Amino acid sequence: DIQMTQSPSSLSASVGDRITITCRASQSVNRHLNWYQQKPGKAPSLLIYAASSLHGGVPSRFSGYGSATEFTLTITSLQPEDFTTYYCQQTHTTPHTFGQGTKLEIK
Amino acid sequence: EVQLLESGGTLVQPGGSLRLSCVASGFPFGAYAMAWVRQAPGKGLEWVSGVSGSVIGTYYADSVQGRFTISRDISENTLYLQMSSLRAEDTAVYYCARWGGSGTYLDYWGQGTLVTVSS
Repeated sequence: DIQMTQSPSSLSASVGDRITITCRASQSVNRHLNWYQQKPGKAPSLLIYAASSLHGGVPSRFSGYGSATEFTLTITSLQPEDFTTYYCQQTHTTPHTFGQGTKLEIK
Repeated sequence: EVQLLESGGTLVQPGGSLRLSCVASGFPFGAYAMAWVRQAPGKGLEWVSGVSGSVIGTYYADSVQGRFTISRDISENTLYLQMSSLRAEDTAVYYCARWGGSGTYLDYWGQGTLVTVSS
């Protein structure tokens, strides 16, 4: 199975800050990498697919970059509603494994 | 509007069996692959199983291979997850999700159903 490792596991930031979360794959997944946001008690929602494509309705302050084994999710100008948990997922090979998650907290 | 509604989660004893259902609406169910993803209490997401739109392909995580079976009834717009030989570590909220983008991402999710495995 392909292992996905996110860093950091948790991150403190302030409203208006720019942050970056990294996701590394144990082997190449080409650009088959997605990012999800999950708020407490809710189902995850798709943010970014195919490494850098913004899902419909997602604000442009979210962006993705990368290929092969290293990927990043960047959020510019953090808003209060952005402080929650983020997951990466590879869909190159089944099982479509997730990273362990990154919890973004208000400083 | 795409909607996915899971049901069937409950308290079950270790070694027991359970079938989860997910009723889909708002899209041509037979044209899309579907997946189950679970989340243990306070933990991250775990991809459990997937089925292609044509039902030719079924896929499982190693942790459930041989114990869980995914299936779909296209006439009823329903996705199933038959779970057997349940273990405490199977305790989780189980989400069904639509496998969009020709199988490259999960674009719609249900609200989840809680399975608790305990004596």
